Amino acid sequence: GAGVSQSPSNKVTEKGKDVELRCDPISGHTALYWYRQSLGQGLEFLIYFQGNSAPDKSGLPSDRFSAERTGGSVSTLTIQRTQQEDSAVYLCASSLGIYNEQFFGPGTRLTVL
Amino acid sequence: GIQVEQSPPDLILQEGANSTLRCNFSDSVNNLQWFHQNPWGQLINLFYIPSGTKQNGRLSATTVATERYSLLYISSSQTTDSGVYFCAVWNAGNMLTFGGGTRLMVKP
Repeated sequence: GAGVSQSPSNKVTEKGKDVELRCDPISGHTALYWYRQSLGQGLEFLIYFQGNSAPDKSGLPSDRFSAERTGGSVSTLTIQRTQQEDSAVYLCASSLGIYNEQFFGPGTRLTVL
Repeated sequence: GIQVEQSPPDLILQEGANSTLRCNFSDSVNNLQWFHQNPWGQLINLFYIPSGTKQNGRLSATTVATERYSLLYISSSQTTDSGVYFCAVWNAGNMLTFGGGTRLMVKP
C-alpha cells in the first residue's frame, strides 16, 4: 500500500511569508506526528495527533507554528511569518496507534531566504 | 527527558566488513526503532524492537531493555549501506526521541 506522502517536496520562501506543509498518512493510521530536522542534526519532535486532536503541542518552537488534522487523515503544518531559523526538513510520520511502529514520509525541505 | 546516545558518531568501512552500532538510553522505554536515513533524506524503517533479537538479511538488532541499550549489526557491508543510522525510543509522552545518529560510509 501507499506510504506516508508529503507536499511540497521543496519550498523556498522569503522571510516573513507564511507557509503550509501537507502530510497524508498511511490509510488507517490514527496517530500522526510532525518532526523537524535541521541541517546535520537529529530529529526534533514538534506535534502529535491522535485522530483529529493534538494532546501534546509542547514541541512547537513558537506560536508562529500551528497544525491541524481533519477527518482523521490529512494534516497541515503552518508556519507564519517565517524566519531563517525555520529552514529545515519537516518530516511527518504515522502509526496505527500510540507506541506502534512509526513510518516516515519523504519530508519537505523548507528554505527561508 | 530521556537521553539517547549513539556510538560511534562516524564509521568508515571497507566493503565486505562487519560493524556494530550501539544505542544507549537513560530510562525505561516502551519501544525502540532503528532507521536508516539514505543520502536523499528518506528514513527507512529497519527494526521495531523493544526487546530481544531480530534479523533481516544482513542486518540484525538486539535490545536489552533491562540494561538500557540496543545494538545494530551490519554484516558484509555494501556501499548502499552508507548513510546515517538512527536509534529512536518511546518513553513517556507521545513521540520518538532520536539519538544523534551514526554516520556510516562504506568504501568500495
